[in-house]
Amino acid sequence: EIVLSQSPATLSLSPGDRATLSCWASQSVGTYLTWYQHKPGQAPRLLIYGASNRATGIPARFSGSGSGTDFTLTISSLESEDFAIYYCQQRSRWPLTFGGGTNVEIK
Amino acid sequence: QGQLVESGGGLVEPGVSLRLSCAASGFTFSDYHMTWMRQAPGKGLEWLSYITARSSQREYADSVKGRFTISRDDAKKSLYLQMNSLRAEDTAVYYCARDLMLRGFDIWGQGTVVTVSS
Repeated sequence: EIVLSQSPATLSLSPGDRATLSCWASQSVGTYLTWYQHKPGQAPRLLIYGASNRATGIPARFSGSGSGTDFTLTISSLESEDFAIYYCQQRSRWPLTFGGGTNVEIK
Repeated sequence: QGQLVESGGGLVEPGVSLRLSCAASGFTFSDYHMTWMRQAPGKGLEWLSYITARSSQREYADSVKGRFTISRDDAKKSLYLQMNSLRAEDTAVYYCARDLMLRGFDIWGQGTVVTVSS
């Protein structure tokens, strides 16, 4: 099973700040890496697929990069609605796996 | 855009069975692969099971293999998860999602809560 590790576990930032979230895979997943945003009580939301492709309707302030084992999700300037938990997920091998999440909270 | 609505959750005792349903609308359900995931209290997301369009392939997480069965009824535009031999650690919010493979899970339901407790 491919293990995904996310860092940091919690990121305390202010609106307007830049957020940089990391995801490491225990073995290469190529670019088969997806990012989701999840708010309490809501359905998760697809943000980035293929490591760097924004999903439909996702604002340009969200960007993804990386390949192999090291990936980054960047939010260039945090809006109030961006405070949430972010998960990476790999699609390289079965079973599919998620990282443990990064909680982006208001400082 | 499409919508998914889960149902069938509830409070059950350990060892019993439960079947979750996921009703699809707003897209051609039969054309798409589908997936179940869950989130236990205080934990992150966990992928559980996958089924292709036309049910030619199914995959399961080790944690549920042999106990859970995924199926679909394209005529009813519905996805199912049959859960047997439920354990306390199966307590979670269960989500269904439309699976675009390498393009991610693009439509999710709001989830249905399953609580396994005596």
